[in-house]
Formats: sequence, structure tokens, C-alpha cells
Amino acid sequence: SQTIHQWPATLVQPVGSPLSLECTVEGTSNPNLYWYRQAAGRGLQLLFYSVGIGQISSEVPQNLSASRPQDRQFILSSKKLLLSDSGFYLCAGRLAGGPYEQYFGPGTRLTVT
Amino acid sequence: RKEVEQDPGPFNVPEGATVAFNCTYSNSASQSFFWYRQDCRKEPKLLMSVYSSGNEDGRFTAQLNRASQYISLLIRDSKLSDSATYLCAVNTDSWGKFQFGAGTQVVVTP
Repeated sequence: SQTIHQWPATLVQPVGSPLSLECTVEGTSNPNLYWYRQAAGRGLQLLFYSVGIGQISSEVPQNLSASRPQDRQFILSSKKLLLSDSGFYLCAGRLAGGPYEQYFGPGTRLTVT
Repeated sequence: RKEVEQDPGPFNVPEGATVAFNCTYSNSASQSFFWYRQDCRKEPKLLMSVYSSGNEDGRFTAQLNRASQYISLLIRDSKLSDSATYLCAVNTDSWGKFQFGAGTQVVVTP
């Protein structure tokens, strides 16, 4: 079974600073990977998804970007954070070609000050 | 209209009672549906998948009503540990993208 790892667990960053969040997967190859953001008291908003190395699809226009440099590594970045980027960032994975179930990593709680 | 809608609750349920709540979706082409449980400040954990008319796992039963475009989750013999937010997710395409509802909060009281 696959396991999703994320770090850091919490992060406090000033407005205008860069961001890099990492997600790694173990236990499977070529998973579909997803970045979500959850604002306080809200549902999950899909930000990016990837079906393979270097393949990124963006769902919501914003100042965030994603990259997949390796099969089991998915990175979320920003050059300059905004206050509105605060939230709970979750990485999820799904077995390629398998059932549609997505499994989540523990998340990163980002506060932009 | 939101693509996936849930009653935010909270549903206050006495221990041992039954609680049920719904999730409505707007895309009639949706094929698969999921219930996740999310504890405070934690990641969502998959509770149940619904690919056909319904699914049952112990005290939990999910039902799909395609005609009215909603899925329901029923929890029998509620335990204190069932207190959580329950998120509904709808698979919208072959890439496996999900639309999530905002969640229904359930509070089980002694």
C-alpha cells in the first residue's frame, strides 16, 4: 500500500517570502498525485494534479506552482507568498490505473503573516 | 450552485443513536463517490467508496441515489469516537480528479 509523506508539518512565513512544500510517496510507482488546499472551515480545493514526471495540470490560477521532478516526488512552490495563501496543504496519491480512491499525506499547515 | 454540497451541521447525536446526512452533486456524469472522515487539524481518511448503489462497512452505510443526485451516509450505534467532520468527494473525470464538499460535522455526546 502507498504511504504519502509531507514536510514540514507546520510553517509560518512572512508575506512576500518563497515557499517550497514537498510530498513523497512510497510503496507504489507512477502514482497520480494531487495538491489540495483547505482554508479554515472549508472544503478541499484541488490546486494541481500530476499523472507522471514533468506532467502538471493546474486547476486554479494563482501564484503557486507545482513540479514533479521524480516519479514519487511532488513539490508545491511559490515565489512570493500572499496572506491568502494561508491554509492546510494536503498531498494525495492514487494508484495509476487503479481504483479512484485517493490517500492523503499528513498535510502542512501554512500561516502567512 | 456548488458542484458538491453538504449540510455543515453540526449534527449532535446521543451515543448509541443513528445519524444520517446527505451530499448532493451537480454533475450527472459522476461515476464514483467517496466518504472521508477528517478529525480536527488532521488529514482526511478514506471511510467508504461508492461505485454502484451503495456500500456497507460495519456501522456505516452509504447509499447512492443517481436520480436525485445525492449520496448519503448513515452511522448506526454512534460512538464518541465517531465525532468528526465527514467529507463527501465526487470523482469528476478519468484523471481521478475529485470535487469535495465542505463537510458535515458530527458531534456524538455521552
